[in-house]
Amino acid sequence: DAKTTQPTSMDCAEGRAANLPCNHSTISGNEYVYWYRQIHSQGPQYIIHGLKNNETNEMASLIITEDRKSSTLILPHATLRDTAVYYCIVHNAGNNRKLIWGLGTSLGVNP
Amino acid sequence: DGGITQSPKYLFRKEGQNVTLSCEQNLNHDAMYWYRQDPGQGLRLIYYSQIVNDFQKGDIAEGYSVSREKKESFPLTVTSAQKNPTAFYLCASIRDGARNTIYFGEGSWLTVV
Repeated sequence: DAKTTQPTSMDCAEGRAANLPCNHSTISGNEYVYWYRQIHSQGPQYIIHGLKNNETNEMASLIITEDRKSSTLILPHATLRDTAVYYCIVHNAGNNRKLIWGLGTSLGVNP
Repeated sequence: DGGITQSPKYLFRKEGQNVTLSCEQNLNHDAMYWYRQDPGQGLRLIYYSQIVNDFQKGDIAEGYSVSREKKESFPLTVTSAQKNPTAFYLCASIRDGARNTIYFGEGSWLTVV
């Protein structure tokens, strides 16, 4: 599974968009990009995933660059409840192997 | 509702004791994982299993053991050989298939006293 790198921490004002970047330069053609978030002392929660096209759901949008080497998770209107650690992970669930997680980005939403 | 159940939520262990953390899923998922998380740190892989009766070591398997006798169950034993077992333990599962997402349990806190 490809490795990902994310900034350690970010801050965002409540009501504004939060843009969380992720680099995955070694991603292979059959690996998907997944985003999860973890609120303190809970199991990570699925947010969104994509292969090469941009994706949107009720929680967030995912923008994947054309070369697929990086992506951005967008929370359109951040709230205090979005304060969490956000993990970007790439894997091909059709060929499950180790699922390796980075340190994620700690997002602080400020009132 | 389907999901992953971890138990116990909180566990205290005396030094030198083995303890077993339970992980059960009714999602019919093939692969299951155990992760350890220390305060302020990411998830580190302990063991994973892709099919029944088979499992592989992760990055920090020393001092831990697992079994996968049934598809729905993947218990983790923290042995006395694990010198620093106090941590938050997470169990996860995923169904085979390129578009499937990872499901997590709510975690188990283990404290050595």
